[in-house]
Order: sequence, then C-alpha cells, then structure tokens
Amino acid sequence: GAVVSQHPSRVICKSGTSVKIECRSLDFQATTMFWYRQFPKQSLMLMATSNEGSKATYEQGVEKDKFLINHASLTLSTLTVTSAHPEDSSFYICSASRGGAYNEQFFGPGTRLTVL
Amino acid sequence: SQQGEEDPQALSIQEGENATMNCSYKTSINNLQWYRQNSGRGLVHLILIRSNEREKHSGRLRVTLDTSKKSSSLLITASRAADTASYFCAPDTGGGNKLTFGTGTQLKVEL
Repeated sequence: GAVVSQHPSRVICKSGTSVKIECRSLDFQATTMFWYRQFPKQSLMLMATSNEGSKATYEQGVEKDKFLINHASLTLSTLTVTSAHPEDSSFYICSASRGGAYNEQFFGPGTRLTVL
Repeated sequence: SQQGEEDPQALSIQEGENATMNCSYKTSINNLQWYRQNSGRGLVHLILIRSNEREKHSGRLRVTLDTSKKSSSLLITASRAADTASYFCAPDTGGGNKLTFGTGTQLKVEL
C-alpha cells in the first residue's frame, strides 16, 4: 500500500511553454502533498506544501506565480511550471502524507524536466 | 521543521559488510524517519522510529535513536550491491509538519 505515482516521468519542452506534472496517491487519501525539486547530487528542496481544497503554502524564495499548485482532491495534486526556462530544468518529486500523529511521507518516482 | 545532518557524506564498502550512517539533529522530535533514494528516482521510506523508542529493526535494517544526544544511526547488515543509494534522515517535530532533508549519505556497495 501507500503508492504514489507521478506523470509524466520525463518531459522536454521549449522555453516559454508551461508544463503540468501530476501527483496521485493510488491507494490512500492524502491530506497533504509536498512538492520538491532536486538538482544533481544535491538534496531535495521543499518547494511547497499542499492541502486538499486550500491554497498551497510556498517556501521562501519559491515563486507561487511560476509554480502553480492545485490540490483538487485527496488523491491528486498538480504542479504547473509556467513559462518554463532552462534554469527550471530539474528533477521534481512529490510526496503524500496520510496525516495523523506520524508524518510519514510516501514519494512519487519523480519527473525529470528539461527545458530547451 | 528541522534538517537532519547525515554523516558520513560518502561511504564505500564491499558486499557483505555492514554499513553504518549517522544522523544528528537539533531540537526535540516526535519521530525520526530514514529514506533511501536510488539515482534518478524518488525517495523510499525505510523506517520510522518514535521518540520513545530506542531501537527498531526491519529486515537487514537496524535504527537506533538517542534523544539525549539528538542522534540516530542506520545500520544495514550484510550489504548488497542493490543497497547502493543515497540515504537521508528526516527528524519530524510532529503535527503534520513538513520534513526537511539534508544532503544524505551516498552509500556505494561494491562487488
């Protein structure tokens, strides 16, 4: 149990276009979802925390107008990278939590974004 | 949230040997979690140890927690090449707080 999927796994786009990444909890309801980005050989950097039905909470330095997060249901959150530029190229990973006393997170397999 | 600091940054061992990696943190926690990340993949949750636990086992994994020293260790026994990955600890202050990850320990298990 506790499987999280991400789609697409890999995307290449032209500069200026928008890209949407989906994160789904397949066999549980996720009260909270998290979005991270990771540069090569570096740790995960939390971008935002997303609760179902409410606005996402962004970390300092993350542009909310550029990285649009929607958490429309307890099993789906989306991250849209708007007007993507080469510097947005990265590995984006989502995670989902069932909530409760122990904040165990279940991670998706990640999405490799390359902006040309 | 607080970030755990893993040590060592890199560890290279032979298959069959044990691998030990450590984690230190700064403030009181509700629990501490260990994750593994294979290259180019998402993180896999390995084990969660609660603040009132001192040791926990899961297969070849053994995790200890010393809240007085604010430290934890992850031991992988009889390592295999497939254990090659980065390992991260995540101290959790509880209440649904976000987790913050350090730079991890890059473990390489050679045949």
